[in-house]
Amino acid sequence: GQQLNQSPQSMFIQEGEDVSMNCTSSSIFNTWLWYKQEPGEGPVLLIALYKAGELTSNGRLTAQFGITRKDSFLNISASIPSDVGIYFCAGITSGTYKYIFGTGTRLKVLA
Amino acid sequence: NAGVMQNPRHLVRRRGQEARLRCSPMKGHSHVYWYRQLPEEGLKFMVYLQKENIIDESGMPKERFSAEFPKEGPSILRIQQVVRGDSAAYFCASSLRGTSGLTGELFFGEGSRLTVL
Repeated sequence: GQQLNQSPQSMFIQEGEDVSMNCTSSSIFNTWLWYKQEPGEGPVLLIALYKAGELTSNGRLTAQFGITRKDSFLNISASIPSDVGIYFCAGITSGTYKYIFGTGTRLKVLA
Repeated sequence: NAGVMQNPRHLVRRRGQEARLRCSPMKGHSHVYWYRQLPEEGLKFMVYLQKENIIDESGMPKERFSAEFPKEGPSILRIQQVVRGDSAAYFCASSLRGTSGLTGELFFGEGSRLTVL
């Protein structure tokens, strides 16, 4: 099935560093969602974006809805060990019901 | 707990047995989705249901897999005659509106991990 291109696939960073990841699609989306999944758990919704150009923060996390509506970005500032996990993006087109999920970015933080 | 509830969290079956996975959506949500996740992989859409209706089952194998969301009670994902390749984590998600925009967000349960021996 269709999937978003999410990059990078994995990241190893030092505690305190900032992290950036993104998702790109060939389709225009009306809503972008960002999730974090920890081992053995379900994905947890972090941020939802509804308008092109929108910039939304949730603590140290900031996400942006790309102007072209075909991409979205997630930044984590001053990473800490508990940021470890897999981050997924998901997008949906207006009038449809099926979210398309990215392949995930695996983040590991070295203390 | 007002979140999406899935049970069992872990299920072990022998080849040929049946697996039943249950999902109670968030309170007030009438849209339910099932996703499958293999280790180190992303979420693959299986089926989308509204109360008493299957809206889209395009991601679900046509044989051995079925899903329902009755008027009363949880949504059920049923896998008959399980094979080793069915071993995976199965996640349920619910939504208030089942579309884009505010109130359309998906909220996931903790998942049911099926192991087929």
